[in-house]
Amino acid sequence: GAVVSQHPSWVICKSGTSVKIECRSLDFQATTMFWYRQFPKQSLMLMATSNEGSKATYEQGVEKDKFLINHASLTLSTLTVTSAHPEDSSFYICSASIVTGNQPQHFGDGTRLSIL
Amino acid sequence: GDSVTQMEGPVTLSEEAFLTINCTYTATGYPSLFWYVQYPGEGLQLLLKATKADDKGSNKVFEATYRKETTSFHLEKGSVQVSDSAVYFCALSVDDKIIFGKGTRLHILP
Repeated sequence: GAVVSQHPSWVICKSGTSVKIECRSLDFQATTMFWYRQFPKQSLMLMATSNEGSKATYEQGVEKDKFLINHASLTLSTLTVTSAHPEDSSFYICSASIVTGNQPQHFGDGTRLSIL
Repeated sequence: GDSVTQMEGPVTLSEEAFLTINCTYTATGYPSLFWYVQYPGEGLQLLLKATKADDKGSNKVFEATYRKETTSFHLEKGSVQVSDSAVYFCALSVDDKIIFGKGTRLHILP
């Protein structure tokens, strides 16, 4: 149980393109989903917290107009990297919690984004 | 603020060696503690968790004990295998936010 599916797993696109990444909780409802970014050989950096039906909460230094997050249902959150540039190339990982209260998060397999 | 510090890698061991990866934390509240593992090119998988002091998190082969007095949550395994080669992240959760350590890369030699 507690499976989180992330799609696509790998995307290569040209500079200036917008890219959408989907994060789905397959067998549970996730009120809250999280988006992380991971640079090579680094830890995960929380980008934003996504709550169903409301605006995402972005961490300091993360451009909300650059990284658009939508959490339209209890099983789906999307991250759109708008007008992507090579410096946006990274590994993006989403996670979801079943319930609140310091419970473990369940992670998707990540999306490797490469901007040419 | 809240933080997690874990030993720097890479850690290189021979197969069947005993493994310890140190993790200490700083938190103002009463966090839950976790170990996650990340295999190359994949997302994170929960390895084990502990929610209160003296809890022993275990997944049958890995274990870690929540030590409040030393603010530690060291990961241990009695006999490592080549397939254990991965990056291991210690993490804490407080107020529904999760904070990760920098990760420890583990190499197991056959």
